[in-house]
Amino acid sequence: NAGVTQTPKFQVLKTGQSMTLQCAQDMNHNSMYWYRQDPGMGLRLIYYSASEGTTDKGEVPNGYNVSRLNKREFSLRLESAAPSQTSVYFCASSEAGGDYGYTFGSGTRLTVV
Amino acid sequence: QKEVEQNSGPLSVPEGAIASLNCTYSDRVSQSFFWYRQYSGKSPELIMSIYSNGDKEDGRFTAQLNKASQYVSLLIRDSQPSDSATYLCAGRDYTGANSKLTFGKGITLSVRP
Repeated sequence: NAGVTQTPKFQVLKTGQSMTLQCAQDMNHNSMYWYRQDPGMGLRLIYYSASEGTTDKGEVPNGYNVSRLNKREFSLRLESAAPSQTSVYFCASSEAGGDYGYTFGSGTRLTVV
Repeated sequence: QKEVEQNSGPLSVPEGAIASLNCTYSDRVSQSFFWYRQYSGKSPELIMSIYSNGDKEDGRFTAQLNKASQYVSLLIRDSQPSDSATYLCAGRDYTGANSKLTFGKGITLSVRP
């Protein structure tokens, strides 16, 4: 049982480059989330998808776009990477509403130079 | 006030002691609360959830919720060096179209052998 799978695990980008972070879950969860984690800042919500076909902005959406491709997959795109987007990115999924908490993927460590 | 605050830390306790981790929350967050453990370089892992006032015990862990005072705590009895990690408190934020978890910044616990 893989749970939540994120790719890639590590990535170095140059300023202005674009990339897509991939996330897939095999738990039949309705809701999926993208967080970023920075030292001293905790986990901050970027975007989330409460159910297939819907997406909503979180606390820090600027510079990002998302796509809920189907029930399993939720991708995060950086169109023009900036050094301020250097962070660890976590994807998570949950039952609708998150009553049982979230299951997190292993994370993507992104460095923008 | 941020939705979920964890202001104390880092915390250091000797092996075998009780570690007490505290978290306060604002009016935007209610009903469901979660404690996650995060080892360095790893993703958050759910260890406890609590939904109603009082105590909830699971092995060496006890979560406490006091809705009148708006605080949540996690007690770890007989602390072990393997408990050394960052502990994240989270609550459900009901603002916006769908509820989602909002996290505190975390408390780093070190258990000294």
